[in-house]
Amino acid sequence: QKEVEQNSGPLSVPEGAIASLNCTYSDRGSQSFFWYRQYSGKSPELIMFIYSNGDKEDGRFTAQLNKASQYVSLLIRDSQPSDSATYLCAVIWGLNNAGNMLTFGGGTRLMVKP
Amino acid sequence: EAGVTQSPTHLIKTRGQQATLRCSPISGHTSVYWYQQALGLGLQFLLWYDEGEERNRGNFPPRFSGRQFPNYSSELNVNALELEDSALYLCASSLFGGGYTFGSGTRLTVV
Repeated sequence: QKEVEQNSGPLSVPEGAIASLNCTYSDRGSQSFFWYRQYSGKSPELIMFIYSNGDKEDGRFTAQLNKASQYVSLLIRDSQPSDSATYLCAVIWGLNNAGNMLTFGGGTRLMVKP
Repeated sequence: EAGVTQSPTHLIKTRGQQATLRCSPISGHTSVYWYQQALGLGLQFLLWYDEGEERNRGNFPPRFSGRQFPNYSSELNVNALELEDSALYLCASSLFGGGYTFGSGTRLTVV
């Protein structure tokens, strides 16, 4: 069974620090990787996606993908209290009829303390 | 561009009743996904519709059903409601192979 694993946390970091969120996945054939942010009681919001090995930066966010290690991470620089949320990692296994589906990890709760 | 819209925002039903939740995808998106999120828990996949067809179904009983209309909007029906069906129901849409855009959800409370 294909799985996406995340540490549930909470991960606590001080304001201004770098928060590092990690995700592992079970299928080497995975194609696409997404990070969502979900505030309590709200719906998930897409913040980053990455398809190729290496780093992808967008403002304070950097997604890192290592397909050989089946590992994807999200770095948040200069963390702010407003970044406190649950971060969901999601994977598309392959682009076929069954493979258009995102499989979500359980999420990591991030707490940024002022 | 309008996002994914869900209605109603809140729904209160009595155990044993039926609930109908609605979703309109982003214009041009043909795939619609339904998820259940109980309080404090992760996203549980319910159903995936694409081009009017059910493409995949999560591990939920048959009393959870739905359909997709020709305009790609979708409806989720939950029959014989149970207390544990109380949750946030999220709809998302996507283009093939892309990330999902979620609606704001329907909060279903079963009393």
